[in-house]
Amino acid sequence: IAGITQAPTSQILAAGRRMTLRCTQDMRHNAMYWYRQDLGLGLRLIHYSNTAGTTGKGEVPDGYSVSRANTDDFPLTLASAVPSQTSVYFCASSDSPGGMGTEAFFGQGTRLTVV
Amino acid sequence: GQNIDQPTEMTATEGAIVQINCTYQTSGFNGLFWYQQHAGEAPTFLSYNVLDGLEEKGRFSSFLSRSKGYSYLLLKELQMKDSASYLCAVQDSNYQLIWGAGTKLIIKP
Repeated sequence: IAGITQAPTSQILAAGRRMTLRCTQDMRHNAMYWYRQDLGLGLRLIHYSNTAGTTGKGEVPDGYSVSRANTDDFPLTLASAVPSQTSVYFCASSDSPGGMGTEAFFGQGTRLTVV
Repeated sequence: GQNIDQPTEMTATEGAIVQINCTYQTSGFNGLFWYQQHAGEAPTFLSYNVLDGLEEKGRFSSFLSRSKGYSYLLLKELQMKDSASYLCAVQDSNYQLIWGAGTKLIIKP
């Protein structure tokens, strides 16, 4: 089934550990995004990539890093997890990063708990 | 700063009509989106408005007034499966999406 796949679907992580959330899309979309969603808050952009080989910082990038080695994959790494990074993480992609009216497609999310 | 406001929660009756409002203040405007998100699932696209007026798509319609910084999503003939959160998002001058916190819609029989 075409779309975006995230892994793992959920994870409990000890504080201070390193963790990579995986995201793969097969729609050949240029742009990819990582958001976090917390109760009572809107989706907040962590990092984005407009095309393979480029990345940019979003609203809440601290403590996170990304890479975009190819079109399909956009992993998100937490270098040293802290409890405030407990959240649901969504990966998304869209066909054209700068295009108006570009619909974003979302993965099913990763529920991360840092203890 | 950039801000998207929408009600936290609304309740409506099956078969009725409900209007979910969204007001925004952003750095530039390149369009407004509505997404639906069922509990525990990913957001899915519902509608997009960039010009003033009403866009109709089946039971769902979305309205935009750029001068007022205002949009609404209108859901007609409500069904139980419409119980979900509805997210308003504005694309700013950098084409980044700014998201509201979402409106949880509860449908009662």
